[in-house]
Amino acid sequence: NAGVTQTPKFQVLKTGQSMTLQCAQDMNHNSMYWYRQDPGMGLRLIYYSASEGTTDKGEVPNGYNVSRLNKREFSLRLESAAPSQTSVYFCASSETVAARGETQYFGPGTRLLVL
Amino acid sequence: LAKTTQPISMDSYEGQEVNITCSHNNIATNDYITWYQQFPSQGPRFIIQGYKTKVTNEVASLFIPADRKSSTLSLPRVSLSDTAVYYCLVGDMSGAGSYQLTFGKGTKLSVIP
Repeated sequence: NAGVTQTPKFQVLKTGQSMTLQCAQDMNHNSMYWYRQDPGMGLRLIYYSASEGTTDKGEVPNGYNVSRLNKREFSLRLESAAPSQTSVYFCASSETVAARGETQYFGPGTRLLVL
Repeated sequence: LAKTTQPISMDSYEGQEVNITCSHNNIATNDYITWYQQFPSQGPRFIIQGYKTKVTNEVASLFIPADRKSSTLSLPRVSLSDTAVYYCLVGDMSGAGSYQLTFGKGTKLSVIP
């Protein structure tokens, strides 16, 4: 039982390049989330998926797209990376939407540097 | 959107009790309050969760007053390994079927030998 896994662990991009961050969970959770963490800003929600087949914007969705590929996988795509997207990205999952009290389980993070 | 406010940092000596308070004035009726702990280079992990009054587990206690506009995380007898950032999370419903989850900016706790 690996919990929440993220790939890659670290990535360097040039401005304008695209990439997809992958996330998978093996806990049979319905809800999945993508956060970014910048120094001094705490965690900010980018997108979430309350259940398979649905996605919704969070606090900072601009510049990102997501795909809930199946119940296990939730990917985050940067179509044209910008230096402002340099951050640590965390994926999380919960049994149902965490606003109703469900505990979120976080992955180890992906460190992204955009030059 | 419900926002949370926490102290940016706190220092404590080993063995002392630490209390971290989070303000969440716009908490919704059905929302829970959850606290997470984050060590450097790791994702946050769950500590404790509550709805009202007091909750206690093997790690911490959570005190929530009747108006639920704030909550206090209490860590008994902290050790050096408790040095971390602590986040207060309050769920918020914004529009039909839409949920906005709000993390506080976190409180950096430094435990001093």
